[in-house]
Amino acid sequence: DGGITQSPKYLFRKEGQNVTLSCEQNLNHDAMYWYRQDPGQGLRLIYYSQIVNDFQKGDIAEGYSVSREKKESFPLTVTSAQKNPTAFYLCASSPSGWDVTKNIQYFGAGTRLSVL
Amino acid sequence: AQSVAQPEDQVNVAEGNPLTVKCTYSVSGNPYLFWYVQYPNRGLQFLLKYITGDNLVKGSYGFEAEFNKSQTSFHLKKPSALVSDSALYFCAVRDPASGNTGKLIFGQGTTLQVKP
Repeated sequence: DGGITQSPKYLFRKEGQNVTLSCEQNLNHDAMYWYRQDPGQGLRLIYYSQIVNDFQKGDIAEGYSVSREKKESFPLTVTSAQKNPTAFYLCASSPSGWDVTKNIQYFGAGTRLSVL
Repeated sequence: AQSVAQPEDQVNVAEGNPLTVKCTYSVSGNPYLFWYVQYPNRGLQFLLKYITGDNLVKGSYGFEAEFNKSQTSFHLKKPSALVSDSALYFCAVRDPASGNTGKLIFGQGTTLQVKP
């Protein structure tokens, strides 16, 4: 998990509340990703960003928002519109989204979000 | 549609025996394939990748994978399993439909249980 820090490790959300998950990387990677992991469903892509100040929706972006104001930071906000937020959230980064030979994604340790 | 399938939810093997974790894919164009491993409550760790070249790819911790284009498979193998290999394994393919974003499509995951 070295180089990518996710915080907090555990997070609890109350009804109607927005919560923000932090993801910081010191690998100088251009691309960053957010995934949601549910048992038996593998990883599903929420949002991704290839460069600063640019990001795109993944497969399950509804109810989530992101920002990419700095190269090393890619925070994810789980909004009250996300009705089933309980899951394990993983942040990843890669040197480049474009160059397939550099497209190894490196993952943080994850944040487990639960609803109170 | 682009997809990755891991047909086995769980694989059980005795320590010292060879192991195989299966993966098949369906993508248009050249497949760029990856294997990752996840230990409990942790992020994913990269094991190996196939981009081009030799069909037998060697990776971390003694793992290897064989790319078979005719069978559209990329099975993960290890000649002699260790108890410490017990974990959740994910196969992934770079999504060619996403252009050069580096987006990966993950399989559902296979739990490997190695018994002493």
